[in-house]
Amino acid sequence: DQQVKQNSPSLSVQEGRISILNCDYTNSMFDYFLWYKKYPAEGPTFLISISSIKDKNEDGRFTVFLNKSAKHLSLHIVPSQPGDSAVYFCAARRSSGSARQLTFGSGTQLTVLP
Amino acid sequence: GAGVSQSPRYKVAKRGQDVALRCDPISGHVSLFWYQQALGQGPEFLTYFQNEAQLDKSGLPSDRFFAERPEGSVSTLKIQRTQQEDSAVYLCASSPYRGQGYEQYFGPGTRLTVT
Repeated sequence: DQQVKQNSPSLSVQEGRISILNCDYTNSMFDYFLWYKKYPAEGPTFLISISSIKDKNEDGRFTVFLNKSAKHLSLHIVPSQPGDSAVYFCAARRSSGSARQLTFGSGTQLTVLP
Repeated sequence: GAGVSQSPRYKVAKRGQDVALRCDPISGHVSLFWYQQALGQGPEFLTYFQNEAQLDKSGLPSDRFFAERPEGSVSTLKIQRTQQEDSAVYLCASSPYRGQGYEQYFGPGTRLTVT
């Protein structure tokens, strides 16, 4: 069963507009959420994160929103740039366990059109 | 500074062959993770090391998979008697934190193709 779901495999946005990437999770034991960005033939690169005690975190053009009651988070990119075109993975960390490894969604391919 | 490196970047193995995948984490990073990423999917956890101790191997799909980090730095993921379903990208990640999954730094991965 997929504990972290990204239901949109792809998204196209015009340059300068807002990109909104969505992520849903099912495990209430997750306490920390991250977004990673991945270019072809490279490993995922950390982008932004949010703790479960917050509902918003902002870093430049990137903002992550967390709705705990809905078990939903989203990444907003404003304004979108062609260099943002990549696969975006949502990931979640468990609040217990020795490894506290990340559980990833299946990714959303964002294409920003010039 | 240098990031996480992995070698080889690409590996083609015949079914039944053994393979060894290497990960060089960022110097000084305590935690090391291995993930398997199938085509069109997100990375899935395989195993975790804190220094040289393998604290979690719950994600290893079978006893054909074995990982080690004998001196607490370089790690090797070994797959014995490879099967076609082992074809995937194997990602290594390191973190300066103990047992904490956030802000892991990923290598470029090794793409394994089993024919």
